[in-house]
Amino acid sequence: DQQVKQNSPSLSVQEGRISILNCDYTNSMFDYFLWYKKYPAEGPTFLISISSIKDKNEDGRFTVFLNKSAKHLSLHIVPSQPGDSAVYFCAASALGAGSYQLTFGKGTKLSVIP
Amino acid sequence: ETGVTQTPRHLVMGMTNKKSLKCEQHLGHNAMYWYKQSAKKPLELMFVYNFKEQTENNSVPSRFSPECPNSSHLFLHLHTLQPEDSALYLCASSRGAQENIQYFGAGTRLSVL
Repeated sequence: DQQVKQNSPSLSVQEGRISILNCDYTNSMFDYFLWYKKYPAEGPTFLISISSIKDKNEDGRFTVFLNKSAKHLSLHIVPSQPGDSAVYFCAASALGAGSYQLTFGKGTKLSVIP
Repeated sequence: ETGVTQTPRHLVMGMTNKKSLKCEQHLGHNAMYWYKQSAKKPLELMFVYNFKEQTENNSVPSRFSPECPNSSHLFLHLHTLQPEDSALYLCASSRGAQENIQYFGAGTRLSVL
């Protein structure tokens, strides 16, 4: 059973508009959340993260919102640019036996149309 | 060279072959990870090494054998694989196993015939 779900496999947005990518999780033990971005033929690149004690974290055009009661987080990209076209992965972290373990969603492919 | 480097980028092997995947990180990190990404599935953690010691093995079949000779290098030895093992294998590193942010290599695309 998937603990981290990204229910939209793809999203298309016009350049300059806002992109909103969503992620839901089920495990209450997750205490840190991350977004990664992946271009074809490259590995995932860390984008932005948020601790469970916060509800918002902003870095330039990227903002992550966390709603703990709803077990939901979202990534906002404003304004969207064609170079933002990539697959975005949501990940949640919990302490395992000896290390923090990341659980990933399946990803959402964002296409920003010029 | 910086970051996390994986070789080879592509690998085709038969079920009776033995091959190895290599990962090297140039970030001065102490923890390294192997992930598997199969088609239409999320990344799945396979192994975690912290200061060269294996700390996690997520029920991975013994036909996958990891090796971590030092904090900068990680190998995944493969033998008698099955076609369903065909996937993208990603290596990652972090400052320590208690750190949340991991840095990934570009992966090895493995096809088992």
